[in-house]
Amino acid sequence: GEDVEQSLFLSVREGDSSVINCTYTDSSSTYLYWYKQEPGAGLQLLTYIFSNMDMKQDQRLTVLLNKKDKHLSLRIADTQTGDSAIYFCAVPMFSGGYNKLIFGAGTRLAVHP
Amino acid sequence: SAVISQKPSRDICQRGTSLTIQCQVDSQVTMMFWYRQQPGQSLTLIATANQGSEATYESGFVIDKFPISRPNLTFSTLTVSNMSPEDSSIYLCSVELTSGGNLGSYEQYFGPGTRLTVT
Repeated sequence: GEDVEQSLFLSVREGDSSVINCTYTDSSSTYLYWYKQEPGAGLQLLTYIFSNMDMKQDQRLTVLLNKKDKHLSLRIADTQTGDSAIYFCAVPMFSGGYNKLIFGAGTRLAVHP
Repeated sequence: SAVISQKPSRDICQRGTSLTIQCQVDSQVTMMFWYRQQPGQSLTLIATANQGSEATYESGFVIDKFPISRPNLTFSTLTVSNMSPEDSSIYLCSVELTSGGNLGSYEQYFGPGTRLTVT
């Protein structure tokens, strides 16, 4: 089955860039997702990338995909205190007629002044 | 996107009792999912609920413990039965939206979650 791994913690200074990394095992995944979870809240779909793309940029967010190495990263430019949250990488596994999302453990991003 | 609401937002329950969580979506969707997020952990899929058919449960989850209803295309319930402290978690429902076009993307949106504490 699919296995998704992330580092657990990242601490950055306000204004710097944050890079959150994710590796996965199933190369047939067509889309790869990034979710954000703020304290006490549900999951917010941040962005996603199609597997035939290398990069996707959306304002301060840049997603890089290295399909050969099965490596996905999320870069947040000019990180702000409001970016402090847990970021989950999620990879779909198609089974039984639907896409089951397999989540990484989540990376807790702490932004300090 | 989709707007999803859940009730209750949180509850504290005694062991041995049951709690039913409601999930309402602002549009008709085929696929609805129920996830569990144990304290400090990632999300684990409990089951998938299609309207008009029985829910499909993931390994480690059974219908007697987590019965699910899906009466129409905008609503679902998850019941946590005969609760124990190990059931203390956040329970989230999500829906899958598909878009057409060349890429035919799948997007899953999540509700705010129900924070359950079992004492």
